[in-house]
Amino acid sequence: DAGVIQSPRHEVTEMGQEVTLRCKPISGHNSLFWYRQTMMRGLELLIYFNNNVPIDDSGMPEDRFSAKMPNASFSTLKIQPSEPRDSAVYFCASSLNLGNTIYFGEGSWLTVV
Amino acid sequence: QKEVEQDPGPLSVPEGAIVSLNCTYSNSAFQYFMWYRQYSRKGPELLMYTYSSGNKEDGRFTAQVDKSSKYISLFIRDSQPSDSATYLCAMRPTGNQFYFGTGTSLTVIP
Repeated sequence: DAGVIQSPRHEVTEMGQEVTLRCKPISGHNSLFWYRQTMMRGLELLIYFNNNVPIDDSGMPEDRFSAKMPNASFSTLKIQPSEPRDSAVYFCASSLNLGNTIYFGEGSWLTVV
Repeated sequence: QKEVEQDPGPLSVPEGAIVSLNCTYSNSAFQYFMWYRQYSRKGPELLMYTYSSGNKEDGRFTAQVDKSSKYISLFIRDSQPSDSATYLCAMRPTGNQFYFGTGTSLTVIP
């Protein structure tokens, strides 16, 4: 079975540009999480959805970040405008019914110069 | 104070050694405790999951939870070079939020 699929795997962009990260959760999973990982802060939860509905977005750092889940098999995380401090690895993860077993994608490595 | 504290290492051991990885936490509401393994440039993958206090064994891996001390451990017996990775602890209360440690980098030298 395919795991969580993220794209792009790597993105280098200039400050001020819009960045869109994409995620396809595991088929049948109804909970989706967006995390950001940095050396300094580790894994931070940005937002999570259950049944396509955003449940908690308190981890979204500021209004430049937005996330959508238009259907059960697709989610986006958008940063507009991007800043160098947004450089990090962004992980999407999914689970069944907000269970304890969450499965991570391979991450999107973002560099903002 | 962070919810979950984890020594970042790095930890370097010879092949065959017993490895001990640890996390401490401050929130007594945590009920579920997990260990994830993350290989370089990959996503974390669930290794072990325990509920409340006690031990759980899976092959060469043993997870231990001491809620009275707010301390969890992961032991790896007969460590192998393929165990070289970053290990993250994660915890959860009865709610939906997961709290992750920052990870301990482990290298097992052949």
